[in-house]
Amino acid sequence: EAQVTQNPRYLITVTGKKLTVTCSQNMNHEYMSWYRQDPGLGLRQIYYSMNVEVTDKGDVPEGYKVSRKEKRNFPLILESPSPNQTSLYFCASSLSLRSEQYFGPGTRLTVT
Amino acid sequence: AQSVTQPDIHITVSEGASLELRCNYSYGATPYLFWYVQSPGQGLQLLLKYFSGDTLVQGIKGFEAEFKRSQSSFNLRKPSVHWSDAAEYFCAVEDNDMRFGAGTRLTVKP
Repeated sequence: EAQVTQNPRYLITVTGKKLTVTCSQNMNHEYMSWYRQDPGLGLRQIYYSMNVEVTDKGDVPEGYKVSRKEKRNFPLILESPSPNQTSLYFCASSLSLRSEQYFGPGTRLTVT
Repeated sequence: AQSVTQPDIHITVSEGASLELRCNYSYGATPYLFWYVQSPGQGLQLLLKYFSGDTLVQGIKGFEAEFKRSQSSFNLRKPSVHWSDAAEYFCAVEDNDMRFGAGTRLTVKP
């Protein structure tokens, strides 16, 4: 089954404790992206990747890192999480930037 | 600055009534336009997209959208709403990056 998976689905952590949210797709998509969703703000792009080893900042990259060592994986790293990073995070992938994006189920992160 | 605006935060319609969700964008050229739907607790699913050609595009679940260049709009419509259409709807625009509107929450009354 074609899908985008994210882990964990739910995470509660404390300020400053490094964490990684994994994202994997099995559709051989070149384009992958991370978004955060906050009430009243819709989805805002954090980082995106056009292909392996190619990443770029989106609208709200501060406090986040990503890597794209393999085509299928695009982990999101929070080196020192802060409470303002409490949000719902979505990973998405597509054949290219202008193709339909397939979204993962989301990761709800709470930073206390 | 480039932006996507969905003026209606929340809309309530009766089942069987028609629906129109508004989307306006502010971009220099004609961008690629999308409508996505998010059911409660789910990720987003593409309803339809417009790249070029016929300005009235058909999507899944009986939805359609019309691109109006003069109004910089891409409004989503459905002639008869079903209770299962209750969800949050996002307009999105791609022009070198992907930007989403803030979303419109649709409630369907029985």
